[in-house]
Amino acid sequence: QSALTQPPSASGSPGQSVTISCTGTSSDVGGCNYVSWYQQHPGKAPKLMIYEVSERPSGVPDRFSGSKSGVTASLTVSGLQAEDEADYYCSSCAGSNNLVFGGGTKLTVL
Amino acid sequence: QVQLVESGGGVVQPGGSLRLSCAASGFTFNNYGMHWVRQAPGKGLEWVAFIRYDGSSKYYADSVKGRFTISRDNSKNTLYAQMNSLRAEDTAVYFCAKGFSNWSLDYWGQGTLVTVSS
Repeated sequence: QSALTQPPSASGSPGQSVTISCTGTSSDVGGCNYVSWYQQHPGKAPKLMIYEVSERPSGVPDRFSGSKSGVTASLTVSGLQAEDEADYYCSSCAGSNNLVFGGGTKLTVL
Repeated sequence: QVQLVESGGGVVQPGGSLRLSCAASGFTFNNYGMHWVRQAPGKGLEWVAFIRYDGSSKYYADSVKGRFTISRDNSKNTLYAQMNSLRAEDTAVYFCAKGFSNWSLDYWGQGTLVTVSS
């Protein structure tokens, strides 16, 4: 399974919105509605931010939202805050009973 | 609260074996599938394996298939990864994670470092 494609970096100023893309194929993102997004601060474990494309787990601020169109999923962070600075990873089910992650995007809050 | 604590990491020579454990608490372990995910130093996340709540089905990434075995002991609330024929490219922090909904992982341990080096 090949990793999903994410931009290496993204940035925005406090209060702005930023969108991170996650591009796959018809075998994963395009053919699966189980796309998730994770936030990882340096030296920490990943944290689930979005599941099933656009659902937020309890406790995740509604500033985080997810969507999907075709083979590309997106994570939007609105009202950027300093604590949003982290690495973000998408994941998708792939084929039969496999999970694939994206390469990760480093989000910088300017 | 949910806690996942990995152990068993260390330094091993190429071709060697290692067994990782993940002790779970704070939730009904035998109700949930569990995953292993790894992260090489300075790199991204890579899914390794998944086991269903009752151990009836196990799935692996191609990169570890035939070398790694995921298992669980529901009586001990513990997840395992038996890693054989280790290679330098297996060097990573290994996380265990609780399955949530479909193919998402809602709780993660802090990870255990495996270094494969001569």
